[in-house]
Amino acid sequence: LAKTTQPISMDSYEGQEVNITCSHNNIATNDYITWYQQFPSQGPRFIIQGYKTKVTNEVASLFIPADRKSSTLSLPRVSLSDTAVYYCLVGASRAGGFKTIFGAGTRLFVKA
Amino acid sequence: EPEVTQTPSHQVTQMGQEVILRCVPISNHLYFYWYRQILGQKVEFLVSFYNNEISEKSEIFDDQFSVERPDGSNFTLKIRSTKLEDSAMYFCASTISGQGALGANVLTFGAGSRLTVL
Repeated sequence: LAKTTQPISMDSYEGQEVNITCSHNNIATNDYITWYQQFPSQGPRFIIQGYKTKVTNEVASLFIPADRKSSTLSLPRVSLSDTAVYYCLVGASRAGGFKTIFGAGTRLFVKA
Repeated sequence: EPEVTQTPSHQVTQMGQEVILRCVPISNHLYFYWYRQILGQKVEFLVSFYNNEISEKSEIFDDQFSVERPDGSNFTLKIRSTKLEDSAMYFCASTISGQGALGANVLTFGAGSRLTVL
């Protein structure tokens, strides 16, 4: 399983764009990159997943360079309610199931 | 939107007692998981379950822990003799895909069961 490295914490202000970068130098060919969001006392919630280039959904964008050794989660115009922990996960499955391991995540604090 | 349902939301127990945490995964999902999160710490993998058997387990998942899918809908985590350090939020999760297709690693989590061991 590829190890990931993210900043421990980030601060931002309402209305700003926030970019959280995750390093995954040992990513394997069949690995996907998945981001989750977790609010206090709640389970993690899937945000976005990608394999290469750029993926966008209604919540965020995910930028993956050609070498796939890093990825950047972009949250446009954050609000106070985006204050949460954001986890970057890298991995794929193998037959019969797999471990999905969460790292320490990035604690984003959005200020008014 | 389909949900993973967990009960109870909060359980308080005495050290040494047995606890069963229950989960109803999303109905067409095939892979099931338990995670725990000690207050202020990261989400820790405990066990994954597929085709009625354990697929993977972590070093945390020792002989005190067991999982079961007693019928077609429930997925349970049993802690045989609770310790103080078992106090945590326990999250159940499920996913439909385990074969590396897009959607791999996309887990749907329940709201969690908070276990307090006194």
